[in-house]
Amino acid sequence: DTAVSQTPKYLVTQMGNDKSIKCEQNLGHDTMYWYKQDSKKFLKIMFSYNNKELIINETVPNRFSPKSPDKAHLNLHINSLELGDSAVYFCASAQGGGVDSTDTQYFGPGTRLTVL
Amino acid sequence: AQKITQTQPGMFVQEKEAVTLDCTYDTSDPSYGLFWYKQPSSGEMIFLIYQGSYDQQNATEGRYSLNFQKARKSANLVISASQLGDSAMYFCAMVSRDGSARQLTFGSGTQLTVLP
Repeated sequence: DTAVSQTPKYLVTQMGNDKSIKCEQNLGHDTMYWYKQDSKKFLKIMFSYNNKELIINETVPNRFSPKSPDKAHLNLHINSLELGDSAVYFCASAQGGGVDSTDTQYFGPGTRLTVL
Repeated sequence: AQKITQTQPGMFVQEKEAVTLDCTYDTSDPSYGLFWYKQPSSGEMIFLIYQGSYDQQNATEGRYSLNFQKARKSANLVISASQLGDSAMYFCAMVSRDGSARQLTFGSGTQLTVLP
């Protein structure tokens, strides 16, 4: 009964391909996020959805497109993959987007994307 | 803009000793939340402890405690009685309002190694 799950865990693909990463949470949370962790372990938010609505859209190439079919799922689709997209991508969820303890974000196991 | 600073890229501690991981933050929002996460070599992000900006007492969770000094804008993590399994990367993070939305901003992390 994993709280936040992501598939796949590893993704190796050629430059120029299109790929998707799926995320699901069974915590009943309203808010979901995508983060990118680069090779230096720095974590940066990419997108945030609250009840299927986009609320945070950081400066990310428009090759990256999040899709939230329902509030338990937030998928990340990446078009025309580039070498620089190689990173670990984390999905997270929280009850809300505020500053309280109930807004703690819980992370999925991460997806290591390698673009060759 | 909000900012989190972790000045210790790497730390070593002897097993069973206590260790303090430093974190300073900067935000103009009077309402914020501070979080610590652990990332072991297996890669997952594990939530450890939360401190709210209006909390009067320092947070504690088992062997983890947060030394919150609001005037100095510091939120150091103290791990007591270190165990070999504590060896990991530790991230300090903050949620506060940055622009139109609240988002979680991470520090650069501290790699802790516990020595037997």
